[in-house]
Amino acid sequence: DTAVSQTPKYLVTQMGNDKSIKCEQNLGHDTMYWYKQDSKKFLKIMFSYNNKELIINETVPNRFSPKSPDKAHLNLHINSLELGDSAVYFCASSPGTSGTDTQYFGPGTRLTVL
Amino acid sequence: QKEVEQDPGPLSVPEGAIVSLNCTYSNSAFQYFMWYRQYSRKGPELLMYTYSSGNKEDGRFTAQVDKSSKYISLFIRDSQPSDSATYLCAQGAAGNKLTFGGGTRVLVKP
Repeated sequence: DTAVSQTPKYLVTQMGNDKSIKCEQNLGHDTMYWYKQDSKKFLKIMFSYNNKELIINETVPNRFSPKSPDKAHLNLHINSLELGDSAVYFCASSPGTSGTDTQYFGPGTRLTVL
Repeated sequence: QKEVEQDPGPLSVPEGAIVSLNCTYSNSAFQYFMWYRQYSRKGPELLMYTYSSGNKEDGRFTAQVDKSSKYISLFIRDSQPSDSATYLCAQGAAGNKLTFGGGTRVLVKP
């Protein structure tokens, strides 16, 4: 009964490939997020969706495309992977977009681009 | 300059000591702050949140905000080896956008 789950947990791939990471939450939340955490532990928001609508879209290369098929799912597709994309990607969810809504994080997907 | 900054550590303390963690922030427009704890190879989990200035206490944890100096602090009393983790401060903004500091790694030695 994991609250926020991500698949896969580990992803090792070659430069230039296209890959997807999936996220699902069973908390009934309206808002979901993607974060990137680099090797220095710096955690930075990439996107957020509220009720399947894009709310936050940070300065991220357009090789990254989020997709929200429904409120409970937010997937991240990455085209033409580069070495600098190697990081841990975290999905999160919150009840809404109020600044006081707690964000619950998934376990992360460790992406290594060779 | 990053919007939220914190010393990366590591901060090593003996069991039972007080752990003192600090962050500075640059954007005064938003006054909602959080501390997240992240164990190795896990996702961050919310420890505490606080608004504006003052102290907030929860068990062994105390969060403090000093608006005048744009400083946020977390104190852990009677630290335990299970407190060994990376602690991330964050500032909340519109749309529930969180800006995180880089995290401070804490090691509590038995």
